[in-house]
Amino acid sequence: QKEVEQDPGPLSVPEGAIVSLNCTYSNSAFQYFMWYRQYSRKGPELLMYTYSSGNKEDGRFTAQVDKSSKYISLFIRDSQPSDSATYLCAMTWTGNQFYFGTGTSLTVIP
Amino acid sequence: SQTIHQWPATLVQPVGSPLSLECTVEGTSNPNLYWYRQAAGRGLQLLFYSVGIGQISSEVPQNLSASRPQDRQFILSSKKLLLSDSGFYLCAWSVKGKITEAFFGQGTRLTVV
Repeated sequence: QKEVEQDPGPLSVPEGAIVSLNCTYSNSAFQYFMWYRQYSRKGPELLMYTYSSGNKEDGRFTAQVDKSSKYISLFIRDSQPSDSATYLCAMTWTGNQFYFGTGTSLTVIP
Repeated sequence: SQTIHQWPATLVQPVGSPLSLECTVEGTSNPNLYWYRQAAGRGLQLLFYSVGIGQISSEVPQNLSASRPQDRQFILSSKKLLLSDSGFYLCAWSVKGKITEAFFGQGTRLTVV
């Protein structure tokens, strides 16, 4: 079983839709959770991070962590064509080693 | 603020040729440094990580090696490239001693022909 599982998609939504991206994990020691956005042929850029459980909101983006279910989510409200990218979840418990999902490809259609 | 530089952005090399990819970090000291390879649909594969000068941990036995000659410099090398070495290589750094995020460079797309 992989440490982190992420549905690769692809996911295609109309502009303005609410997008839900999800990852599950198996190691209950994970305590720091990240979402990265990666445009084609570019390096991943950090989008949001949360420590332990709970929600965090930043503009149109909300990150959610449910440690009891070992499940994290990223919600994008009012999705825009510029949100079209691959979204990677990541997590760590040491700060030295990071565990990544395989990424979900998202296309927002104008 | 901290920045990470990785070059070149693209590289086409013949089979059997050597490789040297360089990564430098600015604005921080004593970072953890990482080399990843990203294949389509397979996510990020950790190749090497370093917690200090001259300290390299290899995660995957392969045709590649890494070195950290200076605190904020990380180099990925190969003596003889294979076709299977083609891919997207990413350098990253994180703060040592803290549970926090990793930051990535812009990547190098390597094509071995």
